[in-house]
Amino acid sequence: QVQLVQSGAEVKKPGASVKVSCKASGYTFTGYYMHWVRQAPGQGLEWMGRINPNSGGTNYAQNFQGRVTMTRDTSISTAYMELSGLRSDDTAIYYCARGLGGVWGQGTLVTVSS
Amino acid sequence: NFMLTQPHSVSESPGKTVTISCTGSSGSIASNYVHWYQQRPGSAPTTVIYEDNQRPSGVPDRFSGSIDSSSNSASLTISGLKTEDEAGYYCQSYDSSNQVVFGGGTKLTVL
Repeated sequence: QVQLVQSGAEVKKPGASVKVSCKASGYTFTGYYMHWVRQAPGQGLEWMGRINPNSGGTNYAQNFQGRVTMTRDTSISTAYMELSGLRSDDTAIYYCARGLGGVWGQGTLVTVSS
Repeated sequence: NFMLTQPHSVSESPGKTVTISCTGSSGSIASNYVHWYQQRPGSAPTTVIYEDNQRPSGVPDRFSGSIDSSSNSASLTISGLKTEDEAGYYCQSYDSSNQVVFGGGTKLTVL
């Protein structure tokens, strides 16, 4: 079955970077866009961007332009999301999702605190 | 900026039917697919409706989706409500630049 397994929780200091991974299984990794979505505590869902695992092409939400980088390693069917210049309001659960309208990862809690 | 507006909360009794609306701020909501997600407390979202009205395997047929062009809205209808349906529900579509847009979410209480 289709499954997305994300890396574990992270605690970072303000100004640092975080890189979250999302390992896919049960389908052809290069056949579907991978999206990244985050959810701050008690808040709604916020789209961060997407990557085409086949070409590596990316499309980032305006709010994250210049701070987010999405990459992939097709040899291990894994997508990555790196967010730099972390602030306290980046504290959130970060999700990967295979082609919106499909399967989501379990989420990765990123806490930004001094 | 294109926005999707949902009611903050709805409540209904077990066995009844509830409809959650998702209204587009501009353009035609029918121009792009709408997906619906269920999120139970402490869990990741899961897809309950994709491409306006399609149910993923495993989602009961009590869940249905529709589009109303006259009101520029999408709707998620849940019939035969069960206490396990109590959750947050989010609609999602795309703006004219193919950027992804989420609604603000609706908390469904089944009481």
